[in-house]
Amino acid sequence: DAGVTQSPTHLIKTRGQQVTLRCSPKSGHDTVSWYQQALGQGPQFIFQYYEEEERQRGNFPDRFSGHQFPNYSSELNVNALLLGDSALYLCASSGPGQGAETQYFGPGTRLLVL
Amino acid sequence: AQSVTQPDIHITVSEGASLELRCNYSYGATPYLFWYVQSPGQGLQLLLKYFSGDTLVQGIKGFEAEFKRSQSSFNLRKPSVHWSDAAEYFCAVAVTGGGNKLTFGTGTQLKVEL
Repeated sequence: DAGVTQSPTHLIKTRGQQVTLRCSPKSGHDTVSWYQQALGQGPQFIFQYYEEEERQRGNFPDRFSGHQFPNYSSELNVNALLLGDSALYLCASSGPGQGAETQYFGPGTRLLVL
Repeated sequence: AQSVTQPDIHITVSEGASLELRCNYSYGATPYLFWYVQSPGQGLQLLLKYFSGDTLVQGIKGFEAEFKRSQSSFNLRKPSVHWSDAAEYFCAVAVTGGGNKLTFGTGTQLKVEL
């Protein structure tokens, strides 16, 4: 049973560029959440997707957007990159029914903005 | 809004010694409570969770945690630490009935001395 997978593992971009990160949820899960973890900090909630719609959003600017596909996989897009966007981006998935509150995390994508 | 405090940024214990990592939360009701562990450069692995019922919960790798409503705490414990337990530990909460967005503490870095 494959867990949550993310791609790419590492990425280097320059300021002003745009980036797309990808996530495939754990088998049977239909909800995907994205988190940003800056160095030395705990993860911060960006947004959550369910049924291809953004269901919740954290305190992040509109430069951060996402998408969920019919197969439940998801993308995180960040436009106009800033140096402060350098972080580990974590995807988490959760399933329907009992246990929906429990999120399982992928290995993350480490983004470096120069 | 809910918040999580992990008062200890770094903790060092000797291998074989007992461990307790502290976590306090701020929320008007009882939230869902979680402990995750993160090894360097890795994603988050779920150690254990508390939703309701027995206030002492068992997790993986020999960890346990106790929910104390009166103290708004959810401390993580292990009777005998192994060198492989060296990692960063995060306490997190999710608001009941508010989706499953996680709010994390800033983490506790555990070092194990041989």
